[in-house]
Amino acid sequence: QQQVKQSPQSLIVQKGGISIINCAYENTAFDYFPWYQQFPGKGPALLIAIRPDVSEKKEGRFTISFNKSAKQFSLHIMDSQPGDSATYFCAASDIYNFNKFYFGSGTKLNVKP
Amino acid sequence: DVKVTQSSRYLVKRTGEKVFLECVQDMDHENMFWYRQDPGLGLRLIYFSYDVKMKEKGDIPEGYSVSREKKERFSLILESASTNQTSMYLCASSLFGARQGKRYEQYFGPGTRLTVT
Repeated sequence: QQQVKQSPQSLIVQKGGISIINCAYENTAFDYFPWYQQFPGKGPALLIAIRPDVSEKKEGRFTISFNKSAKQFSLHIMDSQPGDSATYFCAASDIYNFNKFYFGSGTKLNVKP
Repeated sequence: DVKVTQSSRYLVKRTGEKVFLECVQDMDHENMFWYRQDPGLGLRLIYFSYDVKMKEKGDIPEGYSVSREKKERFSLILESASTNQTSMYLCASSLFGARQGKRYEQYFGPGTRLTVT
């Protein structure tokens, strides 16, 4: 049973468009939510992360929106570029076992030129 | 720059063989992790270790064991490989603990694609 549910499984966006990936969780002990980006042939790498005491975090074209009451968070990629084409994983970590991350199922993003 | 290396990029083994996957990190990280990555299932934790000779089961430990004799090296062992263990295996490392509510980033190796025939 996946602790973090991620959707969609795949996404096609035109260059310049907005890519949106959603994640949901049930465990109220989760208190740290990172996003990882994986290019083909590479391991995932940290992209951006958020804690539940803020509702939004922005780094360049990447924004995490967090809704604590709904137990949902999402990644928005503004002005999507072909170089953003990758697989994106959301994850969560709880206050009892903070070294362990629970990953979502991944979203394969394809940004068309 | 943190570097996590895995011994093989591609590996083909036969059913019943004993398989060793090796991972080495060069940043003196306490934590090391083994995940398997399957389409539609994401990254699932097999085992992790927070110190030499220490290990904890992850979400899918059945059919796997691990060894950590040195801080920088973490091995995943498939005692008797089966076809359902065909997958991408990813190793990761991180510092132990948390700082000011944040978690330490996990750094991943490039993965080993294992095929069991």
